[in-house]
Amino acid sequence: AQSVTQLGSHVSVSEGALVLLRCNYSSSVPPYLFWYVQYPNQGLQLLLKYTSAATLVKGINGFEAEFKKSETSFHLTKPSAHMSDAAEYFCAVSDRGDYKLSFGAGTTVTVRA
Amino acid sequence: NAGVTQTPKFQVLKTGQSMTLQCAQDMNHNSMYWYRQDPGMGLRLIYYSASEGTTDKGEVPNGYNVSRLNKREFSLRLESAAPSQTSVYFCASSAFPQGNQPQHFGDGTRLSIL
Repeated sequence: AQSVTQLGSHVSVSEGALVLLRCNYSSSVPPYLFWYVQYPNQGLQLLLKYTSAATLVKGINGFEAEFKKSETSFHLTKPSAHMSDAAEYFCAVSDRGDYKLSFGAGTTVTVRA
Repeated sequence: NAGVTQTPKFQVLKTGQSMTLQCAQDMNHNSMYWYRQDPGMGLRLIYYSASEGTTDKGEVPNGYNVSRLNKREFSLRLESAAPSQTSVYFCASSAFPQGNQPQHFGDGTRLSIL
């Protein structure tokens, strides 16, 4: 089964600064990869997904992620943070041929004015 | 535009009580899932239903049962609640059980067991 590692449980950035959230997966075979966002007292919303098309994936709200097979990584970035980006972010993976998602522990983003 | 609806939103139980969490989706999805979310652990799959009429155990099924009532509804039952089951429970659905299908989540049920 896949394992997912999100480096850093908390990230604090200034408004307008780069947001970088790290995600590494365990499989040697590229899986399906997702980033979800959770706002307080809400469910998870899909930000973007990688399913073996372009390695640079664009999502909603100005986020994008790059799949790097050699590094088994799928890091999430946003060039300029907004106050509304304060939330918890989850990386999730699913093996090809499987239909279960494995989630990382999550990274909480705080945006400073 | 409801998506995935969970009821109730909050519940407090005493140890040993039973409870059923309800979930319904209006997207005509085939697959449905129950997760629990605990601090620092992400989401862990309890049970899933790849299609109507089927259910399977996930990562943490002990102490839970599920019923796929029809294509829309998937319920989670705690027969004898324990404090270790204090958590936030999320229901999700996807169009098909393939791994490339994104899952759509409800807003969660916050459950406390005293």
